[in-house]
Amino acid sequence: AQSVSQHNHHVILSEAASLELGCNYSYGGTVNLFWYVQYPGQHLQLLLKYFSGDPLVKGIKGFEAEFIKSKFSFNLRKPSVQWSDTAEYFCAVKHSGGYQKVTFGTGTKLQVIP
Amino acid sequence: GAGVSQSPSNKVTEKGKDVELRCDPISGHTALYWYRQSLGQGLEFLIYFQGNSAPDKSGLPSDRFSAERTGGSVSTLTIQRTQQEDSAVYLCASSLNFAGGKADTQYFGPGTRLTVL
Repeated sequence: AQSVSQHNHHVILSEAASLELGCNYSYGGTVNLFWYVQYPGQHLQLLLKYFSGDPLVKGIKGFEAEFIKSKFSFNLRKPSVQWSDTAEYFCAVKHSGGYQKVTFGTGTKLQVIP
Repeated sequence: GAGVSQSPSNKVTEKGKDVELRCDPISGHTALYWYRQSLGQGLEFLIYFQGNSAPDKSGLPSDRFSAERTGGSVSTLTIQRTQQEDSAVYLCASSLNFAGGKADTQYFGPGTRLTVL
């Protein structure tokens, strides 16, 4: 069974600092990759996703993620965080063949200090 | 259009009682997922429905948990003989779930906060 690891459980940054959240998965086949975000008091929502093509994916609010197949990684980055980025971030993976379920990581809580 | 809705938004129950949580997915979405979100535990997969296929129940924590999806639309998650450790936010999500590999997006509902006293 596939698994998703998010090694950073809680990250605290000052505004304008750069962000990188790690995500590694275990499946060796072709995958679809996602980052979801949950802002305080709001629903989980999609931040960005990788399907195929350019491994550098750009999402909403200045976030991007890079798929590195050789490292089984899909790290999330943002060059300069804002207080409004305070949220919980979830990485997710899905096998791309057939009707496959999505597997989520345990999440990383990001706290941005003004 | 309407998103995923869940009811009730909050449920307080006594230990040992049964509860039913409802999810109305987005119309036309063939895939439906239930997750549990507990403090410090992240997002725990419970069950997955895809069209008319047999559901993937591999995430259900015990036989006290069950779920149905009627007519490929509304789903009900039932927890029998609730325990205090069942207290959590139960999230439902739906997606189009393309078979061809296209990365479909899950749309989440607001969740039901279950408190077992």
